[in-house]
Formats: sequence, structure tokens, C-alpha cells
Amino acid sequence: KAGVTQTPRYLIKTRGQQVTLSCSPISGHRSVSWYQQTPGQGLQFLFEYFSETQRNKGNFPGRFSGRQFSNSRSEMNVSTLELGDSALYLCASSLAGTSGGADTQYFGPGTRLTVL
Amino acid sequence: AQSVTQLGSHVSVSEGALVLLRCNYSSSVPPYLFWYVQYPNQGLQLLLKYTSAATLVKGINGFEAEFKKSETSFHLTKPSAHMSDAAEYFCAVSRFSGGYNKLIFGAGTRLAVHP
Repeated sequence: KAGVTQTPRYLIKTRGQQVTLSCSPISGHRSVSWYQQTPGQGLQFLFEYFSETQRNKGNFPGRFSGRQFSNSRSEMNVSTLELGDSALYLCASSLAGTSGGADTQYFGPGTRLTVL
Repeated sequence: AQSVTQLGSHVSVSEGALVLLRCNYSSSVPPYLFWYVQYPNQGLQLLLKYTSAATLVKGINGFEAEFKKSETSFHLTKPSAHMSDAAEYFCAVSRFSGGYNKLIFGAGTRLAVHP
């Protein structure tokens, strides 16, 4: 079974631009979560989608948004990029995310975003 | 609120030595605990997880972890380190509340293995 895939793997943008990252979950997985990883803040939860609905969002500004499609693929968008948005963005998928927290989240390789 | 503390941001061991990476959690309800490993320029790979079935959990690559409720710990061990174990390791607790699933990660421990 193919793992979680993320595209692109690397991105370079300039301040003020916007960016869209894509994530394809493992086949049959319906829950997709996004995390931001930076040296200073570590791994932080961005948001989770299930059945095309955002179930919750972490403590990030409204510039960060996402969506999920009917085939469970997900995209996240960051508008008006800032230097501090430079990070590794990780996508994770799980079966349903409803088993009381025991669901394993499987991570993709990430998208490395650099904002100049 | 749930949280995870990993003691030691860097750990260095000799090849063949015991690996011990420490993780303490804070949770008001029985937790689900995970250890992930991250190799350079890669995503996170699950090593093992605790879901209350057994306190000693065996994972991949010879790693295991023991859940100790009295110590609120979930330390990761491996009897004999290999050069290929050099990576960053993350302990995480899972929070399921209000219908969503979320991992809360520790700050990570970078493991170096020297000959």
C-alpha cells in the first residue's frame, strides 16, 4: 500500500506570496492532519480534516487554511507569506480518527517551505 | 491539558551501547502514547505505540518502551545501538476531544551514535 505523499517536496517563495501544499493520504484513510515543524517551535498541530470537514484547528492565524476533497486528498494554503512561515509542513493520515485517540497517524515526507 | 516532556535534547551513545530516551507525559485521562523517529529530510515514522493493551510495547528496529503510570513515563530503549539509529526521536500523546484526533509532541531528542 502506498504511503502518504506530499507535493511539492521543496518550495521557495517570497514574502507576501501565497502557497498551496498538497497531501494524498493512504488509501482508505479518511482523516488528514497537518503539522508545522520548525527548529524553534517544534511540531505543532495546524488542523485536521475528516470527510471534507475541518474538525479543529490549532493556534495559527487565519492566513493558514485548508480543505479536503471527496477522495480524502487535502490541500493547505498559506496566504501573505511571512519569513516565520519557513518550515517543514507535514501531513498525516489515519483511518478515521474516531477511535478515542488510538488511531495511528502516518506521516508523509513533508514539504520544505522557504520564505525569502 | 495533555503535554509531553522529553528529557535531553541530545543523547550520544557508542555503537553497541544501551539506548535510553526519556519521555514523561501529563494527562488527566488514560493516554495513548507514541514514539516516532525522523531521519534527515524525511517525515516521521512510527516506532511503537501504547494503547493500554500491554505496558511493555515492542516496536520496530529493536526498540521497546514501557508505560509506567506511577511515574507518568514512557521511556524508549534499545539494548544495542546501531549507527543507523542516529536520528531524531519524538514522543507524542494523542488527544481525542470533541471529535478530532490530535498529536501533541515533545521537543524531540537527537540521538548520535559513534563508533
